[in-house]
Amino acid sequence: DQQVKQNSPSLSVQEGRISILNCDYTNSMFDYFLWYKKYPAEGPTFLISISSIKDKNEDGRFTVFLNKSAKHLSLHIVPSQPGDSAVYFCAASLGAGGTSYGKLTFGQGTILTVHP
Amino acid sequence: DAMVIQNPRYQVTQFGKPVTLSCSQTLNHNVMYWYQQKSSQAPKLLFHYYDKDFNNEADTPDNFQSRRPNTSFCFLDIRSPGLGDAAMYLCATSRGDITEAFFGQGTRLTVV
Repeated sequence: DQQVKQNSPSLSVQEGRISILNCDYTNSMFDYFLWYKKYPAEGPTFLISISSIKDKNEDGRFTVFLNKSAKHLSLHIVPSQPGDSAVYFCAASLGAGGTSYGKLTFGQGTILTVHP
Repeated sequence: DAMVIQNPRYQVTQFGKPVTLSCSQTLNHNVMYWYQQKSSQAPKLLFHYYDKDFNNEADTPDNFQSRRPNTSFCFLDIRSPGLGDAAMYLCATSRGDITEAFFGQGTRLTVV
């Protein structure tokens, strides 16, 4: 039973364009969502997060959107750069700090390739 | 730099031979986690320590054990590795009051 799903195994984008990575979840109790980036032979690196009380969070070129009614979130990267090429994992938590701290349920990941 | 360090990066073990993976952290975080990631799959939480309290996920096989002798170190013991245990093992840490977890580089385990 996969509670967090990333249905696109891969995404290819031209440098300078927008990259949109999608994530769906089934557990309505999730209330904190994170995106991690992973380069080959390295561990996942935290990128950006969003609490369920918000619908948008922005950090530089990265914006995460949350649609609670649809149980869907997306990560937008604008403009995309070749250095953004990596595997992106969506993750969800049952509580922001306090109760579930860093216990994360991950999606399978999406391989993003940004072409020069 | 404060970080999470896993040793070794690559580990080859024989079928059925006990193996231990190690993780250390300089972040002084009170929570430490072990995740298992098989090829092209999502990382899956095996267990975690909140301070000294051990918390096992319900579906983690008994073959997997963990030790946390102090705040900085955590070990993953696989008592009798099977071929299905070949995976990337990721250690992570967090502060108990925040959700973001910080990951080590992982240990790639091969079972022969």
